[in-house]
Amino acid sequence: RKEVEQDPGPFNVPEGATVAFNCTYSNSASQSFFWYRQDCRKEPKLLMSVYSSGNEDGRFTAQLNRASQYISLLIRDSKLSDSATYLCVVTGGSNYKLTFGKGTLLTVNP
Amino acid sequence: EAGVAQSPRYKIIEKRQSVAFWCNPISGHATLYWYQQILGQGPKLLIQFQNNGVVDDSQLPKDRFSAERLKGVDSTLKIQPAKLEDSAVYLCASSILYEQYFGPGTRLTVT
Repeated sequence: RKEVEQDPGPFNVPEGATVAFNCTYSNSASQSFFWYRQDCRKEPKLLMSVYSSGNEDGRFTAQLNRASQYISLLIRDSKLSDSATYLCVVTGGSNYKLTFGKGTLLTVNP
Repeated sequence: EAGVAQSPRYKIIEKRQSVAFWCNPISGHATLYWYQQILGQGPKLLIQFQNNGVVDDSQLPKDRFSAERLKGVDSTLKIQPAKLEDSAVYLCASSILYEQYFGPGTRLTVT
């Protein structure tokens, strides 16, 4: 089983749609969780951290279920500018090592 | 604030040749990472430095890859000799805690 598995995608949605990405991780000792965004031919950038209580940043909502080892990202009212690859990232231990999922490509169409 | 700098941005070499990449992290960031990102995959950690010491190099192919971070600031990653499967983007990142800041990467093509 891979350490971090994501929806394979790609996702093609119209502007204004709501889209959800799912991610599972294998190491129950993982401590911190993130979603990174990567635009085409650019470097990854932190989108948001994921907390057990869930967290929201504008149109983006992230959820963590430790019992199921499951992470989600919900994007509401999709914009063209949301088109990118979304990377699920898990970390644990004292050395701040990040393990990335394969990424899910989102294309928002006009 | 200046970001993570990398050079070169692009490199094309023939298999069995050598290549080196350079990274300058954000000032004050003690931790530096080198990742390999193959097309269609997420970044894979090659090596992690804390100051000038190696924290994790478990996924570094040590028969051909080497990295150093002298003086705990800049870092170089070398591949010698390169193979076709080394074609990828090599990303450098730095951090203080969990949030990692990535450089623009070096796109390597091995022919």
